[in-house]
Amino acid sequence: KAGVTQTPRYLIKTRGQQVTLSCSPISGHRSVSWYQQTPGQGLQFLFEYFSETQRNKGNFPGRFSGRQFSNSRSEMNVSTLELGDSALYLCASSLSTRDYEQYFGPGTRLTVT
Amino acid sequence: DQQVKQNSPSLSVQEGRISILNCDYTNSMFDYFLWYKKYPAEGPTFLISISSIKDKNEDGRFTVFLNKSAKHLSLHIVPSQPGDSAVYFCAASGADATNKLIFGTGTLLAVQP
Repeated sequence: KAGVTQTPRYLIKTRGQQVTLSCSPISGHRSVSWYQQTPGQGLQFLFEYFSETQRNKGNFPGRFSGRQFSNSRSEMNVSTLELGDSALYLCASSLSTRDYEQYFGPGTRLTVT
Repeated sequence: DQQVKQNSPSLSVQEGRISILNCDYTNSMFDYFLWYKKYPAEGPTFLISISSIKDKNEDGRFTVFLNKSAKHLSLHIVPSQPGDSAVYFCAASGADATNKLIFGTGTLLAVQP
């Protein structure tokens, strides 16, 4: 069974631009969560989606948004990029909500210049 | 407020010996705990988990112990192998009825041949 896939793997953007990252969960998994990893803050929860509904959101500004499609694929969007948004963005999937064992994709490395 | 803490940033162990990684948490509402292994520029790999109703879970070379009264968990790796060298994160979930994982800051394990 294929794992979680994320595209693109690497991205370089300029301050003020926006970016969209994509995540395809493991087949059959319906819950998708997003995390940001930075050297200073570690792994921080962004949001969780289940059945196309956002179930939880972390402590991030409104510039960070996401959505989930009917096939469970998910996208996250960051608008008006700032230098501090440079990070590894990780997507994780699990069978359902309250299924805590989450499986992570390889991540998208975003660099904002 | 760091709800999950890994107080040892690094640990060095000889091949064949036991590695013990520690994690403390503050939120008594957490009901599920996980350990992940991570290599640079990759997503975390799920290793082992434990429910709060148990005090031990074993999977091959990996054993997780949970001491709820002390709000402490540990991961034992026996015997340690050079391929185990990576950053290990503990994570906790269940406090808010979603899949949100709260991660510790990680411990870099180096297994010396």
